[in-house]
Amino acid sequence: AQSVAQPEDQVNVAEGNPLTVKCTYSVSGNPYLFWYVQYPNRGLQFLLKYITGDNLVKGSYGFEAEFNKSQTSFHLKKPSALVSDSALYFCAVRPVTRAGSYQLTFGKGTKLSVIP
Amino acid sequence: EAGVAQSPRYKIIEKRQSVAFWCNPISGHATLYWYQQILGQGPKLLIQFQNNGVVDDSQLPKDRFSAERLKGVDSTLKIQPAKLEDSAVYLCASSDPAWNTEAFFGQGTRLTVV
Repeated sequence: AQSVAQPEDQVNVAEGNPLTVKCTYSVSGNPYLFWYVQYPNRGLQFLLKYITGDNLVKGSYGFEAEFNKSQTSFHLKKPSALVSDSALYFCAVRPVTRAGSYQLTFGKGTKLSVIP
Repeated sequence: EAGVAQSPRYKIIEKRQSVAFWCNPISGHATLYWYQQILGQGPKLLIQFQNNGVVDDSQLPKDRFSAERLKGVDSTLKIQPAKLEDSAVYLCASSDPAWNTEAFFGQGTRLTVV
């Protein structure tokens, strides 16, 4: 069975400082990894994904994430945080499969607060 | 490009009543998902359709939940009868059928069972 851990319920960072939201995963075989963001009363918005290739993945709004196979981690990063980045962030994993279920397993989410 | 449309946005019902949610996916997306998101948790897959066929419904409580996608486009999710623990946000998502694409989510329907 696959699982995702987001060890921090909340991350606080000052505007302009770098931010990191942590994610570790467990899956049989190779993983597909995703980050989504959720603003209040909104659905999930896709930020970025790792499928294969370069371990550093760049996504929307200046976010990036680094896939580390040995540490089974996929931490989300941004060099300079904005107040508008304040939201709930979800990491998700699914096993590599070209057919059948594409079920995403989500972490419980990390609330990011960027302080002006 | 229009996103995933869901209705209603909010619904309050009493326990043991029935409720239905509707979803219209992004045009051309053959894969459609229903997820349940309980407050304080990440979304959990209830059912995945590929066109109008069910691919994965292993986590769908089939004694009370049902879903259909008759013409391979719109989908409805029904709960009958509802329980208090069904209070959650129900998210519909769709994706291109290619194996390496991401899912796009609708705004969700917030269900409160009282």
